[in-house]
Amino acid sequence: AQKITQTQPGMFVQEKEAVTLDCTYDTSDPSYGLFWYKQPSSGEMIFLIYQGSYDQQNATEGRYSLNFQKARKSANLVISASQLGDSAMYFCAMREGQGDYKLSFGAGTTVTVRA
Amino acid sequence: DSGVTQTPKHLITATGQRVTLRCSPRSGDLSVYWYQQSLDQGLQFLIQYYNGEERAKGNILERFSAQQFPDLHSELNLSSLELGDSALYFCASSLRTGITHEQYFGPGTRLTVT
Repeated sequence: AQKITQTQPGMFVQEKEAVTLDCTYDTSDPSYGLFWYKQPSSGEMIFLIYQGSYDQQNATEGRYSLNFQKARKSANLVISASQLGDSAMYFCAMREGQGDYKLSFGAGTTVTVRA
Repeated sequence: DSGVTQTPKHLITATGQRVTLRCSPRSGDLSVYWYQQSLDQGLQFLIQYYNGEERAKGNILERFSAQQFPDLHSELNLSSLELGDSALYFCASSLRTGITHEQYFGPGTRLTVT
């Protein structure tokens, strides 16, 4: 079964607007971590934001925030005030367990920011 | 710059050949992970090493092997290459301690098998 599901293959957003990228996950482990990574066309993977399963508050990092709904097993990424440089592929990933374990990735969502 | 280095950046080789991909983790990181990114399979975990020892194995083919050396750099060896092995191979590293254990990825090695 898929551990991470990203249902939006591609999205367009107008510059300066906000965009929400969906991510749902599946795990029976009570301890897990959720990550978002950005992959620009150049190919590198850039870590954006982290949410732990026991974190009470939603994570925020600058223009990135994570809308964590534990009961629904969703961890949506919100990018506010989109910039042209935000055009990239975005991956949701999960680490099961509390430690330095492997990541399971979703299929990714391509975001294109329009001027 | 994540601090993780990978060489070479690009590699073009023929079917049946063997190649070695090299990774140097961030300073202080003991865990090294290898991932494969292909169009049909997406991003898949291959193998993890921690301080020189194999820690976890994922969807790694028997034709593939890896090791981590005392200086913590890691190598991924791919042999008897097939067209389907063409992919972007990432190395990532993380701290053993801390809470988030976020993984920092290298720039990747793009392997093309012809």
